[in-house]
Amino acid sequence: QQQVKQSPQSLIVQKGGISIINCAYENTAFDYFPWYQQFPGKGPALLIAIRPDVSEKKEGRFTISFNKSAKQFSLHIMDSQPGDSATYFCAAGSSGTYKYIFGTGTRLKVLA
Amino acid sequence: DGGITQSPKYLFRKEGQNVTLSCEQNLNHDAMYWYRQDPGQGLRLIYYSQIVNDFQKGDIAEGYSVSREKKESFPLTVTSAQKNPTAFYLCASSSTYGGQPQHFGDGTRLSIL
Repeated sequence: QQQVKQSPQSLIVQKGGISIINCAYENTAFDYFPWYQQFPGKGPALLIAIRPDVSEKKEGRFTISFNKSAKQFSLHIMDSQPGDSATYFCAAGSSGTYKYIFGTGTRLKVLA
Repeated sequence: DGGITQSPKYLFRKEGQNVTLSCEQNLNHDAMYWYRQDPGQGLRLIYYSQIVNDFQKGDIAEGYSVSREKKESFPLTVTSAQKNPTAFYLCASSSTYGGQPQHFGDGTRLSIL
């Protein structure tokens, strides 16, 4: 019940294309879902987050889609750029707690 | 610029030795965290602290210890009891009560000699 399954493990996209990363969770008590971006040798950076009371949240080229009934959420990167090449992690947790479960990461490579 | 500073960037441990990883933040955040990152795995929570002089075990606390004597500092000691310490260790902080980690340091890579 504590797992967050992330797919795909790696992804190659052409410049200008759409990158899509999917996550699925099991614990229905989770009510906050952040995404992080990590460049090699660096710590992750909080990218965007969503609560289950909305089905979509957009910040610039990054969009989270949320399907509460399916217990799934996705990160879409529109107009992908070589600078977006990084590892992306989804996470899930419950408000008021400090324990967030992280997915295993997706290594994205955007070809110029 | 506000942020989290972790040191050293690389650390080597001999068998039976305890080592301490430093984490300092100037964001005035109350909550601080330690995570372990292994290849192909997500981040796993070792310890977290909500306020000074208080800390809680995470999912993989065995073989680790922490202290929180100052708001700005949250050092992690990897003890000799941790049999598989080779990993990338990340310190993080959060300004929100009961929230997700918001800022991360650039990590310390620990290896066994």
